Amino acid sequence: GENVEQHPSTLSVQEGDSAVIKCTYSDSASNYFPWYKQELGKRPQLIIDIRSNVGEKKDQRIAVTLNKTAKHFSLHITETQPEDSAVYFCAAKGNSGAGSYQLTFGKGTKLSVIP
Amino acid sequence: IAGITQAPTSQILAAGRRMTLRCTQDMRHNAMYWYRQDLGLGLRLIHYSNTAGTTGKGEVPDGYSVSRANTDDFPLTLASAVPSQTSVYFCASSGTAETEAFFGQGTRLTVV
Repeated sequence: GENVEQHPSTLSVQEGDSAVIKCTYSDSASNYFPWYKQELGKRPQLIIDIRSNVGEKKDQRIAVTLNKTAKHFSLHITETQPEDSAVYFCAAKGNSGAGSYQLTFGKGTKLSVIP
Repeated sequence: IAGITQAPTSQILAAGRRMTLRCTQDMRHNAMYWYRQDLGLGLRLIHYSNTAGTTGKGEVPDGYSVSRANTDDFPLTLASAVPSQTSVYFCASSGTAETEAFFGQGTRLTVV
């Protein structure tokens, strides 16, 4: 099955700086890569996603890049704010037969934005 | 009901007891998932279902079972709970292979 590795596990940045979180995946058939933000005590919520036919996607301060050849994708947050502090998860979803709807997550990155 | 709902929100359970966590969605999503979340281990897939009538095993299926009798409901059963099943459980659903998965509010389960 799919294996998703996520780094770093913790990340501290000064307010206004950029934050980058990186993920790799193992299944070349995966074609959907969402990123979720989870605040303490709450459910994960989608912040951005990218499909395999796209190399980069941006939404205001958040961007995601995908390199299908190398099987890695990254989340970039610019001009970080204290409210960006949360745990971020990357995920990969395959499209290969019986496992087509398996959504596999990385272990998460705890981002702390220091005011 | 709007979205995806789990019940109960929290539960303390004696070891050896049977427990069913409920999950219901009203978005007519084909795919549904159960995850457990433990500190430092992220969200680990327990079981999933691509469509009503089918289920599959995820990364950590042992000790858990699921059923998918219809599109809306995807209950997770612990046949005989053990302390290592203490965790926060999230149910999720998605419409197609390349669309967002929505999560329920979670169930915090403590097995003592």
